[in-house]
Amino acid sequence: DTAVSQTPKYLVTQMGNDKSIKCEQNLGHDTMYWYKQDSKKFLKIMFSYNNKELIINETVPNRFSPKSPDKAHLNLHINSLELGDSAVYFCASSQDMRAGGTQYFGPGTRLTVL
Amino acid sequence: SQELEQSPQSLIVQEGKNLTINCTSSKTLYGLYWYKQKYGEGLIFLMMLQKGGEEKSHEKITAKLDEKKQQSSLHITASQPSHAGIYLCGADEDSNYQLIWGAGTKLIIKP
Repeated sequence: DTAVSQTPKYLVTQMGNDKSIKCEQNLGHDTMYWYKQDSKKFLKIMFSYNNKELIINETVPNRFSPKSPDKAHLNLHINSLELGDSAVYFCASSQDMRAGGTQYFGPGTRLTVL
Repeated sequence: SQELEQSPQSLIVQEGKNLTINCTSSKTLYGLYWYKQKYGEGLIFLMMLQKGGEEKSHEKITAKLDEKKQQSSLHITASQPSHAGIYLCGADEDSNYQLIWGAGTKLIIKP
């Protein structure tokens, strides 16, 4: 059984389009995250949700909008895609917000903007 | 479910001592990544290994990938409080880039 799943795994699209990436976790966790992995492999946190509420919102263009319909899902919608949005996006979840809690990562979605 | 076996799950080490964390797969890996997890900041990339027998070092951290490309170890020499955190291994099973993940190793450094 997949703990944290993301769809799609690959996404190729044109500049200016709007796209969504979906994330689901079946671990019963309270907290979910979106990360962007840059070319240096550094995973930078974008958003964090706890029990469907936004907790962390790092400096991310407002073209990126997370949506959490329930505790098990955290989707990422991106408007007006730009070349610089090309990256791998990872979803993750953890039991709760306690410091030091292990995060479980999805396989990633490779987004390519042409 | 985790597809990479990572051990130990947690580790408490006296400051100044050496330690090793292991990551094992039943399949030959295309690439193996080591990350350090800092809460609220995401994962910090440490090293990537691709070739069998490859070894890389950064400051006091050394990572090795075995010849069969199925097992990697992360070794920290003369541990310091700054090394504390959760270490996570991730791997590509093929060149199509779908990562699988270990469960993480929580490292605590005792002063």
